[in-house]
Amino acid sequence: RKEVEQDPGPFNVPEGATVAFNCTYSNSASQSFFWYRQDCRKEPKLLMSVYSSGNEDGRFTAQLNRASQYISLLIRDSKLSDSATYLCVVFSLRGYSTLTFGKGTMLLVSP
Amino acid sequence: DAGITQSPRHKVTETGTPVTLRCHQTENHRYMYWYRQDPGHGLRLIHYSYGVKDTDKGEVSDGYSVSRSKTEDFLLTLESATSSQTSVYFCAISETGTGISNEQFFGPGTRLTVL
Repeated sequence: RKEVEQDPGPFNVPEGATVAFNCTYSNSASQSFFWYRQDCRKEPKLLMSVYSSGNEDGRFTAQLNRASQYISLLIRDSKLSDSATYLCVVFSLRGYSTLTFGKGTMLLVSP
Repeated sequence: DAGITQSPRHKVTETGTPVTLRCHQTENHRYMYWYRQDPGHGLRLIHYSYGVKDTDKGEVSDGYSVSRSKTEDFLLTLESATSSQTSVYFCAISETGTGISNEQFFGPGTRLTVL
């Protein structure tokens, strides 16, 4: 099982739609969780951290289920500018402390 | 945006030649990282640094070396480039190395092609 797995995508949705991204991770000792956003041919940028209690930032909601080792990102009222690749990222201590990135799920929002 | 620059931004080189990529930061962050990104793979850590002259290997370190002689600069060297090292290379920095505050800020990337 890969360390961090995401829906392969791409997701094609119309403006205004609600879209959900799913992610699973294999290391039960993982400590921190994030969603990054990466625009085409650009660098990844932090979208939001994911807390056990769930957290919301405007149209974006992130959830974490430690028992199922599952992370989700919900985007409501999609905008054209939301088109990007969304990366699920997990922090674990394993000799060195660093982040493990999923392959990403591409979102295409159309008019 | 965090002050991170990478140079060169694009490079085409031939198999067997040495290549050095530079990452420069103006944030005075302690931690610096080199990743590569390839189709079908997530970002993979090559090497990282937790201070001046303190570096360690990541997941895919074979064929790469690094050096950090100043807080602001982290160099990645391909001693003898191979076609399998054709990739997009990202430098990243973070203030801390652990925990929820371990947000990493990425540079704009270097596209390297090895012919």
